[in-house]
Amino acid sequence: SQQGEEDPQALSIQEGENATMNCSYKTSINNLQWYRQNSGRGLVHLILIRSNEREKHSGRLRVTLDTSKKSSSLLITASRAADTASYFCATDASTGNQFYFGTGTSLTVIP
Amino acid sequence: ETGVTQSPTHLIKTRGQQVTLRCSSQSGHNTVSWYQQALGQGPQFIFQYYREEENGRGNFPPRFSGLQFPNYSSELNVNALELDDSALYLCASSLVQAGLGEQFFGPGTRLTVL
Repeated sequence: SQQGEEDPQALSIQEGENATMNCSYKTSINNLQWYRQNSGRGLVHLILIRSNEREKHSGRLRVTLDTSKKSSSLLITASRAADTASYFCATDASTGNQFYFGTGTSLTVIP
Repeated sequence: ETGVTQSPTHLIKTRGQQVTLRCSSQSGHNTVSWYQQALGQGPQFIFQYYREEENGRGNFPPRFSGLQFPNYSSELNVNALELDDSALYLCASSLVQAGLGEQFFGPGTRLTVL
């Protein structure tokens, strides 16, 4: 079974609005990463946050991590139609060489 | 473009057959990971190779096997195909093991098992 669960499963917003998606995971981690996928193609890395970090920014992206709640959130500000994609969180397992993706959030940005 | 290529793009097989999928890593990357992504699901980690050795495996049976070559290209082999093996297969290359840094994904191979 997958380590992470994203919430919501689907999100539809107007261009210019902010989009927030959440991720929960089950076991201790070293890092948490967010990836984006367009239409069933390869994934693109967005950002990595380490377990000792609480917040990280990259352009219009803001990621938070709460290890006590085993959760993370991804905020996309001032969304654009081109942000339409599926977004996945992914975690390693601190006890072994494995890597887990969540179930994903499908984001639709309406022009 | 990530520089990671996969072949073939699409493949149709029948149940019980064997399949080999190929991946060419980004130049300089010594780690490759393979994932299975069923329709509407997140990618599931199959295994990871570092310098030609398997050094991490997900919850997949032994009929899923792999190879990594000295030039860091790799193969995913699946024996005794089952209908549930129908999925998008993704490879990703990186400088470090999957959980420690950015992975660069190929476009995937869409496998259909009839």
